[in-house]
Amino acid sequence: DQQVKQNSPSLSVQEGRISILNCDYTNSMFDYFLWYKKYPAEGPTFLISISSIKDKNEDGRFTVFLNKSAKHLSLHIVPSQPGDSAVYFCAGSGGGADGLTFGKGTHLIIQP
Amino acid sequence: DAGVIQSPRHEVTEMGQEVTLRCKPISGHNSLFWYRQTMMRGLELLIYFNNNVPIDDSGMPEDRFSAKMPNASFSTLKIQPSEPRDSAVYFCASSPQPGGAGQPQHFGDGTRLSIL
Repeated sequence: DQQVKQNSPSLSVQEGRISILNCDYTNSMFDYFLWYKKYPAEGPTFLISISSIKDKNEDGRFTVFLNKSAKHLSLHIVPSQPGDSAVYFCAGSGGGADGLTFGKGTHLIIQP
Repeated sequence: DAGVIQSPRHEVTEMGQEVTLRCKPISGHNSLFWYRQTMMRGLELLIYFNNNVPIDDSGMPEDRFSAKMPNASFSTLKIQPSEPRDSAVYFCASSPQPGGAGQPQHFGDGTRLSIL
């Protein structure tokens, strides 16, 4: 039973355009949602998070939107840059569990 | 600042051998997590500790897996005996407080384990 789903294994976006990464979840008990970025041969790096009581959080070029009724969140990156090419993981936390429940990731490729 | 340090970075061993993975969390962090990443299952939590005490080990796949945290600056994940299906990347992460509070976890660069 996959509690966090990222249905797009990969996404290709032109440099300078907007990248939109999507994530769906089934566990309504999650208190927080987090996005991580991962380069090859490195560990995941925290990018941005959002509390379940909010619907938007912004940090520079990165914005996360949460739609609780649809159990859906998205990460917007604008403008996209070559260094943004990486695998992005969505994760949920809370609901009595302190560990993170991850999606399987989306490989973002920024084309010059 | 030193991040989470894992060793070894790569381990190749034969089936049946004991494997020990090591982790040094960020100083001052009270929570430590072990995750495993495979193609089939993605990143999944194995076990986590708060203040050196194991809190939830429901993700540990079998009795062959064990984890310890003898002090605040060191943890081990042991597999004995190892099997080919244990081949994966194992990540250790730490956070200042329990992750349920939305506190981001900081990951090490992982140990790539191959069991032949």
